[in-house]
Amino acid sequence: DADVTQTPRNRITKTGKRIMLECSQTKGHDRMYWYRQDPGLGLRLIYYSFDVKDINKGEISDGYSVSRQAQAKFSLSLESAIPNQTALYFCATSDPLTGEELFFGEGSRLTVL
Amino acid sequence: AQRVTQPEKLLSVFKGAPVELKCNYSYSGSPELFWYVQYSRQRLQLLLRHISRESIKGFTADLNKGETSFHLKKPFAQEEDSAMYYCALTPSNTGKLIFGQGTTLQVKP
Repeated sequence: DADVTQTPRNRITKTGKRIMLECSQTKGHDRMYWYRQDPGLGLRLIYYSFDVKDINKGEISDGYSVSRQAQAKFSLSLESAIPNQTALYFCATSDPLTGEELFFGEGSRLTVL
Repeated sequence: AQRVTQPEKLLSVFKGAPVELKCNYSYSGSPELFWYVQYSRQRLQLLLRHISRESIKGFTADLNKGETSFHLKKPFAQEEDSAMYYCALTPSNTGKLIFGQGTTLQVKP
């Protein structure tokens, strides 16, 4: 089955450490997204990419960076993690030709101590 | 600014009761609106979108442009409907989805 895979699924780290969350997809979709989920705040868009050469900031990009290494891969980096970046992070993909439906990964739970 | 507001964090009903999850949006153009659902231990997934006007798992949602609302309704709730529900909006031709804060629906036996 075509899928969206996130690694790691869980990570505990310390303040100041560099962290990378990876997302790969076998759906063949050009569009990829990173969201974070916080209780009471819902999902907020961090970065999105419509193709390999296209990177766009979302609502809350400060403190994050991304890399679109290939159509299938979109990585999210925290250069110097801080405790308020503790959250559940979701990668998603979409195909504009079939509508705006997002297909989500299972999530990466990050805890910054 | 584009915004989606779900005023209820938690909605608790008994099995068989009607359900209405509220969603209001702020957008000056013609939005595309969606409801996503996250069941326990499952991925977030699309439930329905307003342009398709379909009923999924007994849920319907009507876009009311006058009230800028897109409430999700079901006449008789089932226990398996218990989940987190997100309302979302795509501003025209942007390709990005803006989510509300989410409402947890708890259906009691």
